[in-house]
Amino acid sequence: DQQVKQNSPSLSVQEGRISILNCDYTNSMFDYFLWYKKYPAEGPTFLISISSIKDKNEDGRFTVFLNKSAKHLSLHIVPSQPGDSAVYFCAASGYFGGSQGNLIFGKGTKLSVKP
Amino acid sequence: DTAVSQTPKYLVTQMGNDKSIKCEQNLGHDTMYWYKQDSKKFLKIMFSYNNKELIINETVPNRFSPKSPDKAHLNLHINSLELGDSAVYFCASSQGGMAGGDNEQFFGPGTRLTVL
Repeated sequence: DQQVKQNSPSLSVQEGRISILNCDYTNSMFDYFLWYKKYPAEGPTFLISISSIKDKNEDGRFTVFLNKSAKHLSLHIVPSQPGDSAVYFCAASGYFGGSQGNLIFGKGTKLSVKP
Repeated sequence: DTAVSQTPKYLVTQMGNDKSIKCEQNLGHDTMYWYKQDSKKFLKIMFSYNNKELIINETVPNRFSPKSPDKAHLNLHINSLELGDSAVYFCASSQGGMAGGDNEQFFGPGTRLTVL
């Protein structure tokens, strides 16, 4: 039962263009969403997050958009750089039963930015 | 300086053996976690410890036993290894006690376990 889905296993983008990574979720109780970035042979590193009370959060070249009615979020990277090539994980958490629940991760999308 | 470190990086062993993976964080965090990334690439939480006390124990076989000698260390011991235990295991830590929300987690580089 995948509560967080990243339906595109890979994405290839030209340097300088926009990269859009998508994530869908099924649990309407999720109230916090995060993106993690992972290089080969390294652990995931936190990139950007958004609370469910917002619909957009921006940090430099990275912007996350949240559409609660569609249970969809996306990560935009503009402009894309070759160093952005990595696997991007979407994660979500919610407040269940009186306590903050675990992070639920998607399967990841491998982004390749070509020079 | 490595914030969250794991040893070993690679572990190849036979079925039925017992093995341990060590994790240390030098961030002064209160909470540490173990995650498993299986062949389908899902990253799932296994355990969470806050100040040496177990606070999350997801449905994992009791062959897996976390041990936290102090709040900077969370080791994972696995008994009677099975083929299905082959995966990458990530340790992580965070300042707060909650696993989710805006409580950023810092991950180690992972330990690739191969059971033959």
